[in-house]
Amino acid sequence: DADVTQTPRNRITKTGKRIMLECSQTKGHDRMYWYRQDPGLGLRLIYYSFDVKDINKGEISDGYSVSRQAQAKFSLSLESAIPNQTALYFCATSGQLGEQFFGPGTRLTVL
Amino acid sequence: GIQVEQSPPDLILQEGANSTLRCNFSDSVNNLQWFHQNPWGQLINLFYIPSGTKQNGRLSATTVATERYSLLYISSSQTTDSGVYFCAVERGGTSYGKLTFGQGTILTVHP
Repeated sequence: DADVTQTPRNRITKTGKRIMLECSQTKGHDRMYWYRQDPGLGLRLIYYSFDVKDINKGEISDGYSVSRQAQAKFSLSLESAIPNQTALYFCATSGQLGEQFFGPGTRLTVL
Repeated sequence: GIQVEQSPPDLILQEGANSTLRCNFSDSVNNLQWFHQNPWGQLINLFYIPSGTKQNGRLSATTVATERYSLLYISSSQTTDSGVYFCAVERGGTSYGKLTFGQGTILTVHP
C-alpha cells in the first residue's frame, strides 16, 4: 500500500462549490504539506503543519483552508471554488530530516 | 525569498546518452532534494542531498553547498527517464521545513 494517499484522484466541480481534498499517511511523520502545481510551473506551498496543533500558511493560502484531524490526516478545503484554482494538488509528508514524500496528486477542475 | 534556477529548461536525448541537469540557488540551504515527475504526474523522491555526492543506479547527484549549486547526472538514459526533474531547497530559519521548488527540467528520451 502507498505510504501517502490522496482522495479523490480526480474531481470536476463548478464555481462556488465547496470542495475537500483528503490526505492520509502511514509513514508516521509529524509534518504534512499541501502544494499546488499549475501547468509548466513548479510546486507552490499552500499550507503546512508540523504537528496536530500546528497549522501554518504557505505562499498561496488565500482561498484555501486546512484541517489536521490526526497525525496521519491532513485535509485541504476550497470554501468556494473558482476556475483559477484548477490545478494538480499534492500532499506531502516529512520526518525530522526534512526529506519530503509525495502522494499521487489530485487533479481538480473548476468549471 | 530564495531563488532556485534549473537548467536546461528542456532536454531531448536518444536512449543511451548521458546528461547533466543543474540547479543553482541564491542562498545557503539546509536541505536539497531532487524529484522526478513521471508522465502520469507522480513525484518520486530521487535524492536528499544537502551536500556531497550520492549514487543510485544510473543516477547520481552532487551538491556543492558553498558554491550554491547541485548537479543531477543521468547515465545511459532510458525512455522511462522521461518526465520533469525538479530541484527543491529548504533555507532554514523562518523557512524551516519548507521547500522552494525550481521550475524543472523537461527531459524527453527517444528510443
